[in-house]
Amino acid sequence: GQQLNQSPQSMFIQEGEDVSMNCTSSSIFNTWLWYKQDPGEGPVLLIALYKAGELTSNGRLTAQFGITRKDSFLNISASIPSDVGIYFCAGYTDKLIFGTGTRLQVFP
Amino acid sequence: GAVVSQHPSWVICKSGTSVKIECRSLDFQATTMFWYRQFPKQSLMLMATSNEGSKATYEQGVEKDKFLINHASLTLSTLTVTSAHPEDSSFYICSAREAGWAKNIQYFGAGTRLSVL
Repeated sequence: GQQLNQSPQSMFIQEGEDVSMNCTSSSIFNTWLWYKQDPGEGPVLLIALYKAGELTSNGRLTAQFGITRKDSFLNISASIPSDVGIYFCAGYTDKLIFGTGTRLQVFP
Repeated sequence: GAVVSQHPSWVICKSGTSVKIECRSLDFQATTMFWYRQFPKQSLMLMATSNEGSKATYEQGVEKDKFLINHASLTLSTLTVTSAHPEDSSFYICSAREAGWAKNIQYFGAGTRLSVL
């Protein structure tokens, strides 16, 4: 099935550092969603974006809907140990397509 | 956010048996529910879309006779893995979209880990 390209594939950072990850596609999406998945759990919605250029924050998380509608970015500021997990972007047209995921490890 | 309950969270079965997984939207009505499959260290792959009161739409390569989906009410969808084999072992996750809500947000259950011996 179709997937979105997400980078980086994994990140190992120190607590307190900022994190940036992005998602790109060859297709245009009208909605971008960012989810976090902990091991053995389902994805939990973090941020939803609906308009090209839109910048939305949720606490220490900020996400942007790319102007071309083919990409999206997620930033996490001042990372903490509980930020550990896998972050997925997802683009929506007539169905939700998931990115390949970014695995985040935070060291104290 | 809206709550989606999935049951069971973990099931082990013998090869050849059938397994049913339930997905319920607890505090909203969902005309559309989705079933995903996730292999270790991989992303979620959409298996099928189920609409309340009608037949499910399966993604290419997903056997509809193998993975039976029933969406009998606005709050319940079930996935039955028929005649399960070891290659069906995976993490199955359901998702629901709120009826009448045009924002394209899907909420996910906690997943069901299926191990077929």
